[in-house]
Amino acid sequence: KAGVTQTPRYLIKTRGQQVTLSCSPISGHRSVSWYQQTPGQGLQFLFEYFSETQRNKGNFPGRFSGRQFSNSRSEMNVSTLELGDSALYLCASSLKQDSYEQYFGPGTRLTVT
Amino acid sequence: AQKVTQAQTEISVVEKEDVTLDCVYETRDTTYYLFWYKQPPSGELVFLIRRNSFDEQNEISGRYSWNFQKSTSSFNFTITASQVVDSAVYFCALSEVGYGNKLVFGAGTILRVKS
Repeated sequence: KAGVTQTPRYLIKTRGQQVTLSCSPISGHRSVSWYQQTPGQGLQFLFEYFSETQRNKGNFPGRFSGRQFSNSRSEMNVSTLELGDSALYLCASSLKQDSYEQYFGPGTRLTVT
Repeated sequence: AQKVTQAQTEISVVEKEDVTLDCVYETRDTTYYLFWYKQPPSGELVFLIRRNSFDEQNEISGRYSWNFQKSTSSFNFTITASQVVDSAVYFCALSEVGYGNKLVFGAGTILRVKS
């Protein structure tokens, strides 16, 4: 069974631009969560989608948004990029919705210059 | 409020030594789940274990074992006879029922196993 895939793996953007990251969950998984990992703040929850609906959101500004498609693939978008948005963005998928085990993708390394 | 504390920032051991990674959590809920993940240099988080708050039995899986003590709000992880391939960052995480799959992570412990 294929694991969670994320594209692109690396991205360099300029301050003020916007970016879209993509995540394909494990086949059959309907829950997709996004996390931001930085050296200073560690791993922080961004949001979770289940059956195309956002179920949970972390404490991030509105510049961070996401969506999920009918095939469970998910995208997250960051608008008006800031230097502090440089991070590893990890996507995780889960078979069930509540406190279930999650499987992570390799991440997208975003660098904002 | 949910909080996970991993007080050990970095641990270095020599191969074949046993090592214990500490995890202390805070939650007001009576029903919650605890997790451990491993992050090797490649960056991908690898799921190790999920334990619910009603199951305080210790668990052993090969060289890995976990000690859950509700009385001290701790969920410690021991690697027996460590190997170089165990070198990674280990994260403890908490999930409260009713918050979907949201995980609150500790800061992580860097484990370096030297040959």
